[in-house]
Amino acid sequence: AQTVTQSQPEMSVQEAETVTLSCTYDTSENNYYLFWYKQPPSRQMILVIRQEAYKQQNATENRFSVNFQKAAKSFSLKISDSQLGDTAMYFCAFMKIGNYKLTFGKGTLLTVNP
Amino acid sequence: DAGVIQSPRHEVTEMGQEVTLRCKPISGHDYLFWYRQTMMRGLELLIYFNNNVPIDDSGMPEDRFSAKMPNASFSTLKIQPSEPRDSAVYFCASRSGTYQPQHFGDGTRLSIL
Repeated sequence: AQTVTQSQPEMSVQEAETVTLSCTYDTSENNYYLFWYKQPPSRQMILVIRQEAYKQQNATENRFSVNFQKAAKSFSLKISDSQLGDTAMYFCAFMKIGNYKLTFGKGTLLTVNP
Repeated sequence: DAGVIQSPRHEVTEMGQEVTLRCKPISGHDYLFWYRQTMMRGLELLIYFNNNVPIDDSGMPEDRFSAKMPNASFSTLKIQPSEPRDSAVYFCASRSGTYQPQHFGDGTRLSIL
């Protein structure tokens, strides 16, 4: 079974600064997807970014980028130029291709301070 | 495009009552998932459907929980009888095909008194 670990229960950052959230996972699979979801206080679960394991290039979406280290089974999220609206719980998730199940980490609560 | 629509947004009811949560997936999506989120256990997959057929219900905690998908645009999650430990946020999500991400609804916050 796959496991996803987010070792930072809470983090804070000053507005306009950069922050990195950590995620590690354990799997014996070779083909899978990794995701970061954001859950703001409004409770929505919003997809932030995804990475296909077969791609060496790190995914980027505007201010959000990942550092995907397949051998180390690490998938960190970097948020540049943090904004107050980035305050949310961030979940890392794993999906084995062909399985369809998402396995989530416990989440990291990020607070962006003015 | 309309996203995944869940109703009600909040539900407060007394122990022993029947609770029905509703979900309308994104049009054209052929997979539908029900999750439960609690502080203690995080996000747990309860059940998922493919083309309206339940594929894996191994996450359904007890026989008190049941889920149906009578057509491609509607699904329900029912708890009967409800218990205080069922209090949680319940999410519905849908996706299209094998390689697309799941899109979540806004969730239903359920409180059983």
